[in-house]
Amino acid sequence: DVKVTQSSRYLVKRTGEKVFLECVQDMDHENMFWYRQDPGLGLRLIYFSYDVKMKEKGDIPEGYSVSREKKERFSLILESASTNQTSMYLCASQTGGTDTQYFGPGTRLTVL
Amino acid sequence: QKEVEQNSGPLSVPEGAIASLNCTYSDRGSQSFFWYRQYSGKSPELIMSIYSNGDKEDGRFTAQLNKASQYVSLLIRDSQPSDSATYLCAVTGGTYNQGGKLIFGQGTELSVKP
Repeated sequence: DVKVTQSSRYLVKRTGEKVFLECVQDMDHENMFWYRQDPGLGLRLIYFSYDVKMKEKGDIPEGYSVSREKKERFSLILESASTNQTSMYLCASQTGGTDTQYFGPGTRLTVL
Repeated sequence: QKEVEQNSGPLSVPEGAIASLNCTYSDRGSQSFFWYRQYSGKSPELIMSIYSNGDKEDGRFTAQLNKASQYVSLLIRDSQPSDSATYLCAVTGGTYNQGGKLIFGQGTELSVKP
């Protein structure tokens, strides 16, 4: 079974803090994705990565950066957290053969 | 026009009935189609994938794809209260969609009443 894990289920941070969200997959997938999900707005793609050290902007990259130093690990960084970044953050890993994406459990981030 | 549109819901069906969830997509070049189920507060989990025209059955779930009409649906037979969730349609591989990015619909909330 594909296993995608995220570093925290719940996180509370202060405005202006630097926040790191980590995602790890154990299936040797090339592609990894970060989304945020908000009521009424659905799933929105923040960044994705096709390979180690490769990254591409998604639909809403502003205020975020990413890091992929190892194939199994994809990190999302909030450089200076703001209240409008309070959201559910979802990481996904993708097999190249079928395009199927598998999601981690999500991190509910609250920025106060 | 949204790239992936789902019936807005919420959809309410009695236990044991057939639930029908619909999805249309705008890019005729799309190749891969997925249905995810998402329980409240949880992450999406894959329940069906379909790549060619026709029906694909898996237990109580049937996915139907019609590329000419740019339409994909999910039927849930013998609906159970445990099927109550939001169902997300996702599409990838379209003409203007590079790589494996998925485009998600807004989701349809399904409620199965005992």
